[in-house]
Parts: sequence; structure tokens; C-alpha cells
Amino acid sequence: EPEVTQTPSHQVTQMGQEVILRCVPISNHLYFYWYRQILGQKVEFLVSFYNNEISEKSEIFDDQFSVERPDGSNFTLKIRSTKLEDSAMYFCASSAGLPNTEAFFGQGTRLTVV
Amino acid sequence: GENVEQHPSTLSVQEGDSAVIKCTYSDSASNYFPWYKQELGKRPQLIIDIRSNVGEKKDQRIAVTLNKTAKHFSLHITETQPEDSAVYFCASFKAAGNKLTFGGGTRVLVKP
Repeated sequence: EPEVTQTPSHQVTQMGQEVILRCVPISNHLYFYWYRQILGQKVEFLVSFYNNEISEKSEIFDDQFSVERPDGSNFTLKIRSTKLEDSAMYFCASSAGLPNTEAFFGQGTRLTVV
Repeated sequence: GENVEQHPSTLSVQEGDSAVIKCTYSDSASNYFPWYKQELGKRPQLIIDIRSNVGEKKDQRIAVTLNKTAKHFSLHITETQPEDSAVYFCASFKAAGNKLTFGGGTRVLVKP
């Protein structure tokens, strides 16, 4: 069964450093998402991406965040200058699009900023 | 923007009993309502969903109801088993913006 894959599974970084989280969505999917989950809390929407551009972003997704689909298969989330409060599990998801709006989630990348 | 409220935040039931989780949403343009189950340290996984043109859907021990007028939807788990213990999230999807908004989650504990 096809699945969304994310790398790395765990990333530890120093405060102020840049990190890139990588995702490979399901191959025929057209819509891509990043979500964040702080330990023990709800899953929070960061950004949706379709047709090589951002469809919507949340207030969390400020100028420190960016997304890219560099090569037609990868979908990346970059955080330019990490803060302690960026520590969370980051989930990538993809969906085929209407009418099949089911979003499939990757296994997540646990980001720890120290 | 869309706001999804979920209750209760924790739910403890005896094995074999039913569990009910309720959600409300704010944006009348939302048209798809999935439910996800998340086990500790794992990804959210879809367990059932319902679209806005349907009032109820059932899949074995799991059922979901939707009241579009009241902007309420609920998850019902019957004959609960210990493996049903997890965090359950409701969500609402709006096609414009392709945004899936999650509720706060319900931690369900099924006691043997």
C-alpha cells in the first residue's frame, strides 16, 4: 500500500539553525500539507500546497517557514532560524484531491531544538 | 477561520461499553469530516469519514453522524475493546484553501 514517507524520523538542532524536513507524498496525489503537533497537544495546520503554490497557511507559518516541491517527488518544509518553541512532531500529509479528500499522514519527524 | 471544538478531552469507558465523542465546527463551507485515531508516538490514521450530503455512516463498530444545520458531528464506538484506547481527533475540511482543521483530541481509555 502506498504511503507518505518522511525523513529524518528525529532531528536535533541548535537554536537559530536552519532545518529542512523532507517528505515524499503518495505519487499520484496533488495536495500536500504540513502539520505540527506539540507533545500531547492537538494536530495544528501549518500549510497546504497545490499546483506548486501555497493554498493556505496558518498564523504559525510565519516568515521563518517555507515549503518547496523541488523535484516533483519531494515536498520540504524549511525552518530558517529555529526557536525552542519549534520543538514538535511535524507531519506531512497528501491527498488525491476532490472528491477523494482523505489525507494520508507520514510517520512524522520529531524536531528537537536545544 | 474554521474552529473545531471537541468534547470530551478524556473519556474512560469499561470494555464493552459505548464511547461517544462530539465535535462542532464553525465554517458552513466545510464539507468533509474525517475522524483520525492516533496511537502513542504514531501518525494519525483515518478510521471513518462523512461528507456533508450524508447524515450518518457506519463501519462495523464505528459510526459517525452529522448535523449540518447545527454544525455538529459525532463519533460512536460500540462494544469498545482495549485496542480502541488511543487519542481520537475529529476534523473538518474546506475545499477552498484545502485546509483540514483538527479538533483538540479525545484521549479514550478502555478499561478491561
